[in-house]
Amino acid sequence: EIVLTQSPGTLSLSPGDRATLSCRASQTVSTNYLAWYQQKPGQAPRLLISGAFSRAAGVPGRFSGSGSGTDFALTISRLDPEDFAVYICHQYSGAPSTFGQGTRLEI
Amino acid sequence: QVHLQESGPGLVKPSQTLSLTCTVSGGSVSSRVYYWNWIRQPAGKGLEWIGRIFTTGNTNYNPSLRGRAAISIDTSKNEFSLTLNSVTAADTALYFCARDSGSSHWPDYFDYWGRGTQVIVSS
Repeated sequence: EIVLTQSPGTLSLSPGDRATLSCRASQTVSTNYLAWYQQKPGQAPRLLISGAFSRAAGVPGRFSGSGSGTDFALTISRLDPEDFAVYICHQYSGAPSTFGQGTRLEI
Repeated sequence: QVHLQESGPGLVKPSQTLSLTCTVSGGSVSSRVYYWNWIRQPAGKGLEWIGRIFTTGNTNYNPSLRGRAAISIDTSKNEFSLTLNSVTAADTALYFCARDSGSSHWPDYFDYWGRGTQVIVSS
């Protein structure tokens, strides 16, 4: 199965900063079948990005996805206080689908 | 807006069977578009996809569960369920139910999730 490694484990930034989160796959993620989710304690995980680049409905434009092959990134252009959460990448290129360990974005 | 809500015992004894239910509102498990999934997250670890079910009863499972998982669907109650037998402490986790996006590709990503329910395996 494809192993996803996210870095850094924790990212400490301030509101207004730009955040770049990395997700590296152990094998090529074909057709860019990579998604990003936001997870906050006690809440349902929220889909942000699918197909490596496509923002889900209602997701603010400050969130963008990029990358291909084995290297992907989620960028938040200008952090809002509500953006401090855990971000998880997910490959659905090969079965079973697998998830990264997450990057904690903290103030 | 589709809403999913997990329910079930929070404590299960080792070697026994874990049973959870996901109740869906704002959408129908009878849909011939979406698969309904179970995913879990041990404390401090990453998410693990457990399996999925379609309204016809068609299922797929993660081989890592070595045949211990079974997912069923009850269209009359608009819910689907997970049973996991022979549990150990390693099955202690936050269990989520989720709907996939309905694309024709498998695997698929998940567009709606429940908040999760904590299950502890302990005597």
